[in-house]
Amino acid sequence: EPEVTQTPSHQVTQMGQEVILRCVPISNHLYFYWYRQILGQKVEFLVSFYNNEISEKSEIFDDQFSVERPDGSNFTLKIRSTKLEDSAMYFCASSLTGGGVANTGELFFGEGSRLTVL
Amino acid sequence: SQQGEEDPQALSIQEGENATMNCSYKTSINNLQWYRQNSGRGLVHLILIRSNEREKHSGRLRVTLDTSKKSSSLLITASRAADTASYFCAPHSGTYKYIFGTGTRLKVLA
Repeated sequence: EPEVTQTPSHQVTQMGQEVILRCVPISNHLYFYWYRQILGQKVEFLVSFYNNEISEKSEIFDDQFSVERPDGSNFTLKIRSTKLEDSAMYFCASSLTGGGVANTGELFFGEGSRLTVL
Repeated sequence: SQQGEEDPQALSIQEGENATMNCSYKTSINNLQWYRQNSGRGLVHLILIRSNEREKHSGRLRVTLDTSKKSSSLLITASRAADTASYFCAPHSGTYKYIFGTGTRLKVLA
């Protein structure tokens, strides 16, 4: 069964360093998302991406964050100058459709990348 | 899109019993989806119900939707220990995001 894969599974970094989290969405999917979950808290929306541009972003997704689809298969989240509060599990998700009335739009999630900022 | 509010926040039942959790939302939707998250893992899509549907079944799952009350419920019948997880609803209004609430933490005791 096709799945969303994320690398690395765990990354430890020093405060102020840049981090790139990578995702390979399901191959025929068109919509891509990043979410994060701070330990013990809810899953928070960061950004959605379609047709090579950001569709929507949350207030969390400030200038520190950027996303890119550098080729036909990868979808990356870059966090510049990491802060302690960026420590969280980051989930990538993809969907075939955007979820209108006639579409389903269910999200398929990866297993996450745990980021620890020291 | 909007956030759904799940209720109860936590639910503890015995194996074999049914588990019911509820979701309320505020504005009109195209569809509503339910997801499960096992501790620390990615969310898994369970079932989707469209705004013009009232009830849907998938295996041991039954979901209902009442658009007049802006609410949905998820019933898991004959629960198993493996159903222990957090459950989230995601009401969707056609925008490019899905917002998850705090979920219902279900614990099924063997």
